[in-house]
Amino acid sequence: QKEVEQDPGPLSVPEGAIVSLNCTYSNSAFQYFMWYRQYSRKGPELLMYTYSSGNKEDGRFTAQVDKSSKYISLFIRDSQPSDSATYLCAMSRRGSTLGRLYFGRGTQLTVWP
Amino acid sequence: SAVISQKPSRDICQRGTSLTIQCQVDSQVTMMFWYRQQPGQSLTLIATANQGSEATYESGFVIDKFPISRPNLTFSTLTVSNMSPEDSSIYLCSGIKQGNTYNEQFFGPGTRLTVL
Repeated sequence: QKEVEQDPGPLSVPEGAIVSLNCTYSNSAFQYFMWYRQYSRKGPELLMYTYSSGNKEDGRFTAQVDKSSKYISLFIRDSQPSDSATYLCAMSRRGSTLGRLYFGRGTQLTVWP
Repeated sequence: SAVISQKPSRDICQRGTSLTIQCQVDSQVTMMFWYRQQPGQSLTLIATANQGSEATYESGFVIDKFPISRPNLTFSTLTVSNMSPEDSSIYLCSGIKQGNTYNEQFFGPGTRLTVL
């Protein structure tokens, strides 16, 4: 079993839709949870990070972490064509933000006008 | 954060040859890593590039195949040796800068390698 599971999609939604992206994980030692956005032929860029459980909001983006279920989500409100990209969840272990990240496979999202 | 550049951005190579990928950061970083990203797969960590010493390799990756150098805090190279078509992938360099509340890991644009 992979440590981080993410449905690769593809996911295609109309502009203005609410998008829900999800990952599950198996390692209870994960403490930091990140979402990266990767445009075609670019490197991943950090979108949001969350420490431990709870919600975090940044503009149209909301990240949720449910450690009891080992489940994290990213919600995109009022989605735009510019949100079309691959979204990767990533995690790191407790006390180890200077170490390796464990990534999901990424979900490819297309927002059509 | 900081900006990472990689050279080359892409290359097509023949089986049995080697390619060295360069990674340059515009400021000093604490940690540098090399990842591989194959189509439809998650990013896989190849190794941690240690400044002034041998890299630390992940399971399944060896120094003879992927020699890495990191002579200073802003530069690293990854060589893909004796290439085969299975090495066709995107290779990404990343760095970590220590922050006040969070140590962000940021990535270069990647090197797209095709081995024929």
